[in-house]
Amino acid sequence: DTAVSQTPKYLVTQMGNDKSIKCEQNLGHDTMYWYKQDSKKFLKIMFSYNNKELIINETVPNRFSPKSPDKAHLNLHINSLELGDSAVYFCASRGAGNTEAFFGQGTRLTVV
Amino acid sequence: AQTVTQSQPEMSVQEAETVTLSCTYDTSESDYYLFWYKQPPSRQMILVIRQEAYKQQNATENRFSVNFQKAAKSFSLKISDSQLGDAAMYFCAYGASGTYKYIFGTGTRLKVLA
Repeated sequence: DTAVSQTPKYLVTQMGNDKSIKCEQNLGHDTMYWYKQDSKKFLKIMFSYNNKELIINETVPNRFSPKSPDKAHLNLHINSLELGDSAVYFCASRGAGNTEAFFGQGTRLTVV
Repeated sequence: AQTVTQSQPEMSVQEAETVTLSCTYDTSESDYYLFWYKQPPSRQMILVIRQEAYKQQNATENRFSVNFQKAAKSFSLKISDSQLGDAAMYFCAYGASGTYKYIFGTGTRLKVLA
């Protein structure tokens, strides 16, 4: 039973398109994250939600919009995709009783 | 601002040998946590080991142990009896208690030679 699951695992799309990545966690965690891993493997936080409230919003183009319909879900919508958006996007979650983040398997986004 | 530095982009170790991966960090916080995550070719981020800053005792998990030097802000990972399955990217990460943000180092790629 997957704890943090992302869909899709792979996404290939053309420049200018709009796409969404979905994330669900069944751990009962209050906090969820989106991280971006670039081609050099650098992991950078994009957003974090706690109990559906946005608490971290790093310097991310406003083409990226997170949405948390409930505590178990955090989706990422990207408008007007650009070549530089190509990366692996990770969803993660953390519970109040945990210190570490639990990661999904990542979504490899390729913009052509 | 907190930073995490991994100065070794790549390391190699012979199977069954021991290797140490380095990590330094910078913070003005007194209460925080440090982690090592493993990312194999499958891309999954897997927690290897964690250390609470308030604990003086170094954390160990089977073949994995850390050398936590709080004053020096150093947090190295030792892998004993290296196995082929240990080959992966290893990321050092920092999280301050009470915040929701994890900061990652740039990673060290570990190769295990048969």
